Amino acid sequence: GAVVSQHPSRVICKSGTSVKIECRSLDFQATTMFWYRQFPKKSLMLMATSNEGSKATYEQGVEKDKFLINHASLTLSTLTVTSAHPEDSSFYICSARGQGHTEAFFGQGTRLTVV
Amino acid sequence: DQQVKQNSPSLSVQEGRISILNCDYTNSMFDYFLWYKKYPAEGPTFLISISSIKDKNEDGRFTVFLNKSAKHLSLHIVPSQPGDSAVYFCAASAVIYNQGGKLIFGQGTELSVKP
Repeated sequence: GAVVSQHPSRVICKSGTSVKIECRSLDFQATTMFWYRQFPKKSLMLMATSNEGSKATYEQGVEKDKFLINHASLTLSTLTVTSAHPEDSSFYICSARGQGHTEAFFGQGTRLTVV
Repeated sequence: DQQVKQNSPSLSVQEGRISILNCDYTNSMFDYFLWYKKYPAEGPTFLISISSIKDKNEDGRFTVFLNKSAKHLSLHIVPSQPGDSAVYFCAASAVIYNQGGKLIFGQGTELSVKP
């Protein structure tokens, strides 16, 4: 399958700081990227959908000012967790889908710990 | 409102036997269904999918069955192998309705295949 690279895989940050997570499609052009959050022993919760060159669409209950998503190119989307707090600690996963494809391919995930 | 449900949080199967993972959905707009496999601290890996125009799709040891009238799908793994031990998520997509194909995930079923 197609390759999606997510970076970093782990990050520990202090409360109040911002953290940026990158998601890259390495061998295809990702017209749509999705950002998910997974709590321990829970399902993947869709946070937002972004299409290249346009603003992200956020799911209900997700604060767009806190979770900034940028999809500036067909191979890169970023999620910035602003003013992080311990309750933002979670496993964040991106996925990418190319034009005309229905399968979405996932990155490796980022374990964020806010201390 | 959980649109995609996996009611069994865990399943234990003997090596060589069949594993059957179940998934139910409520939204009749869903027209594409996928199964993903996930190891701890990794992103999900795509396994197999099925369109709503079909009722069965087979790929090696993996077969997905779709019963649209019952809004139910299942993943059969035969023969099961210890390396199949992981969390399996079913996901549903409706390309036509908003955000162009975002995936809605079930809660996951943890499969354990014992030697």
